[in-house]
Amino acid sequence: DVKVTQSSRYLVKRTGEKVFLECVQDMDHENMFWYRQDPGLGLRLIYFSYDVKMKEKGDIPEGYSVSREKKERFSLILESASTNQTSMYLCASSLRDNNYGYTFGSGTRLTVV
Amino acid sequence: AQKITQTQPGMFVQEKEAVTLDCTYDTSDQSYGLFWYKQPSSGEMIFLIYQGSYDEQNATEGRYSLNFQKARKSANLVISASQLGDSAMYFCAMREGLFGSARQLTFGSGTQLTVLP
Repeated sequence: DVKVTQSSRYLVKRTGEKVFLECVQDMDHENMFWYRQDPGLGLRLIYFSYDVKMKEKGDIPEGYSVSREKKERFSLILESASTNQTSMYLCASSLRDNNYGYTFGSGTRLTVV
Repeated sequence: AQKITQTQPGMFVQEKEAVTLDCTYDTSDQSYGLFWYKQPSSGEMIFLIYQGSYDEQNATEGRYSLNFQKARKSANLVISASQLGDSAMYFCAMREGLFGSARQLTFGSGTQLTVLP
């Protein structure tokens, strides 16, 4: 019954590496989101997408990019990983006009060393 | 200014008692939605309850109710008859605008609830 799948639960990467975090949803949702979660800060929006090949910056896009080539897949890219990008990353999706149908993945805990 | 404020980093409650988790919000939109999510230690975000800005009655879902005070811009979560399984991080979130293209959720910093046996 898994609906939003994040490819890795835990990742350890080295500083300067290019990192890909993958998210796939099987609910035919138009909207997809990437958040990062840090203690005391809650969830902060990095990027979101409301359609294939469309993307919008969130509150903290610096150091990140995204790709949405297919409706079901939304990738978060760390171009050159840094230690301050060590965090929990959560992907979510929703229907375009659904007021409350947000579904989250189980998260990827990324550590950059 | 913070759009969502949760002033209680941590809360304790005795099993079977009720607990209120505070949330205040800031928006100039007339149309918005308020959400509460639960995040257990396993990490998944579990949707609990939703309140639309035009809903006249407070939302309820089982043991969860949302105390919506629009004039005060508060949306407190009330959990009745707490259970040990309620121990988790709780997030308040807001979506500004009810319809249209992608509308992201804005989250508060969360409240860690611990239910004591």
